Amino acid sequence: LAKTTQPISMDSYEGQEVNITCSHNNIATNDYITWYQQFPSQGPRFIIQGYKTKVTNEVASLFIPADRKSSTLSLPRVSLSDTAVYYCLVGDMSGGYNKLIFGAGTRLAVHP
Amino acid sequence: EAQVTQNPRYLITVTGKKLTVTCSQNMNHEYMSWYRQDPGLGLRQIYYSMNVEVTDKGDVPEGYKVSRKEKRNFPLILESPSPNQTSLYFCASSSSRDSGITDTQYFGPGTRLTVL
Repeated sequence: LAKTTQPISMDSYEGQEVNITCSHNNIATNDYITWYQQFPSQGPRFIIQGYKTKVTNEVASLFIPADRKSSTLSLPRVSLSDTAVYYCLVGDMSGGYNKLIFGAGTRLAVHP
Repeated sequence: EAQVTQNPRYLITVTGKKLTVTCSQNMNHEYMSWYRQDPGLGLRQIYYSMNVEVTDKGDVPEGYKVSRKEKRNFPLILESPSPNQTSLYFCASSSSRDSGITDTQYFGPGTRLTVL
């Protein structure tokens, strides 16, 4: 099983860059890495997805080293509205069908 | 509007009384899934479905049933609910994952279930 490990919580201040790292030692060859954001009482929302190297979109960047055993979500210049739980997700092919496993999530608190 | 809907949004019930939480998506997605979320445990997958009539267990399937008779609907059934099934439940859908690519999952608004 491709289990993921993330820090439980992080603190930052408005305007700073935040980097959240996820460890996934058993990621499968064809699996992609996806990050989601969740606000209280809402369903998770897609942020970014990548396979290797670096991916950037309008809200975040994703850095994946060559061995793909970890990934880092980078949020540039965070604001108070970025306070949320962030989940790292990888696909699990071990059962023959696809099983998706969320990490425990990282609770990011952005302070004024 | 593309969306995943769940009903009911809130439910309080008693132990042993069968209940069904409905999930419907209007994006013609093949893949649908149910998760439960509990404090400190994040999201855990209960069941998933790759397509109509194709379902499989996730990480915490005990005490739950699902069916996928139509592409758009994926109900979650609790035949005999117990207090340890008190949780926040999310339904999600995405397009096919034949290649192993983790396609973007769209989540419903959640159903908060309390079993007394």
